[in-house]
Amino acid sequence: QVTLKESGPGILQPSQTLSLTCTFSGFSLSTYGMGVGWIRQPSGKGLEWLANIWWDDDKYYNPSLKNRLTISKDTSNNQAFLKITNVDTADTATYYCARICGASYVMDAWGQGASVTVSS
Amino acid sequence: DIVMTQAPLSVSVTPGESASISCRSSKSLLHSNGITYVYWYLQKPGKSPQLLIYRMSNLASGVPDRFSGSGSETDFTLKISRVEAEDVGIYYCGQLLENPWTFGGGTKLELK
Repeated sequence: QVTLKESGPGILQPSQTLSLTCTFSGFSLSTYGMGVGWIRQPSGKGLEWLANIWWDDDKYYNPSLKNRLTISKDTSNNQAFLKITNVDTADTATYYCARICGASYVMDAWGQGASVTVSS
Repeated sequence: DIVMTQAPLSVSVTPGESASISCRSSKSLLHSNGITYVYWYLQKPGKSPQLLIYRMSNLASGVPDRFSGSGSETDFTLKISRVEAEDVGIYYCGQLLENPWTFGGGTKLELK
């Protein structure tokens, strides 16, 4: 069974760096074709893809936020990470991580989401 | 960026009836390998999105066969036959053909 769980600070102030962790089980990021993606959703709004990291450490970012995003992984501990620098209120959202199954090229399992509020 | 446009914004369906949701992409999602990279997700109230359909017409594991996906290169349809109470939520289409991956604005399905 594939499970993912996001964790984060809950609340932070403008200009700070947001650090998110995705802890997963049921698959390995060292397995050929596997990846983890990050997606966010402001309250009451739609989905915005942020970044992906793949088994071979290949990384892709949404160009609209690329300069502020850093994605990484710890394969031995089954974790993926996302950092967003210089946050502001527009970064307030629920952040999801999702498994990307390369064989089918699909985000097929999502975590429950971590709520993040940026407020002074 | 590829823009995904969904219609309608909301749909109200009598249980047992069928529902269709449309999604249009701003460019072809058909890859040269013959695969069309459009996906459908359902977000039930208070939950995270769950995969329904991948690569336009493939039913995800555990999803009832009341759900089906079809389409062309830029126009796609999610059909739900015999709508049930558990189908209530917001449906999103998405494309994984090109970075950045993008999603439609969502279609809210509710029961009459």
